[in-house]
Amino acid sequence: ETGVTQTPRHLVMGMTNKKSLKCEQHLGHNAMYWYKQSAKKPLELMFVYSLEERVENNSVPSRFSPECPNSSHLFLHLHTLQPEDSALYLCASSQDPGGADLAKNIQYFGAGTRLSVL
Amino acid sequence: AQSVTQLDSQVPVFEEAPVELRCNYSSSVSVYLFWYVQYPNQGLQLLLKYLSGSTLVKGINGFEAEFNKSQTSFHLRKPSVHISDTAEYFCAGGRTGANNLFFGTGTRLTVIP
Repeated sequence: ETGVTQTPRHLVMGMTNKKSLKCEQHLGHNAMYWYKQSAKKPLELMFVYSLEERVENNSVPSRFSPECPNSSHLFLHLHTLQPEDSALYLCASSQDPGGADLAKNIQYFGAGTRLSVL
Repeated sequence: AQSVTQLDSQVPVFEEAPVELRCNYSSSVSVYLFWYVQYPNQGLQLLLKYLSGSTLVKGINGFEAEFNKSQTSFHLRKPSVHISDTAEYFCAGGRTGANNLFFGTGTRLTVIP
């Protein structure tokens, strides 16, 4: 148990569906992240939120829409996805990203949501 | 550009044998480095970290890594592996002032009985 909880663990959806992934951190951290993990590829950073404000968006298609209502919760809203979007989506949190205290930059990950788009 | 390279995609090793998983980084600014482990159907778990200070870093489960600035390497080692060490291992690097980490492509360690 890392203190970062993701739900659901598995999700199968059609290309016309709308679904949401949820992430909750119980560590009192200020930053949260969404990553995409595809086979044979490095982890791809999708979004970064710091103090509920989006600070990074790495050219992610608009069919992925993040939401961070508070520093403990992060959502990823999905709509009209493509089969190539099938992957493991990982959420992470850190105490103080980009700060001088490197120990506060450590990221802690959830178990991920395995997404299959049919 | 900041990047992390893991030279081996798969490493098979017999139980109780030593193992080294290689990681090289490239950066022109101060860096900090991590090794994460991912067991099947799970997220990434922090194995060890180098932030500053001693270049030999000890982590959980008997793993250690050495930060070598002249060779820009951060190889992971364990003197005697167990079946339970079978997993995917990721090297990652960060840079002060940056929001994100740079991950390698991962090395799948398979421990053979």
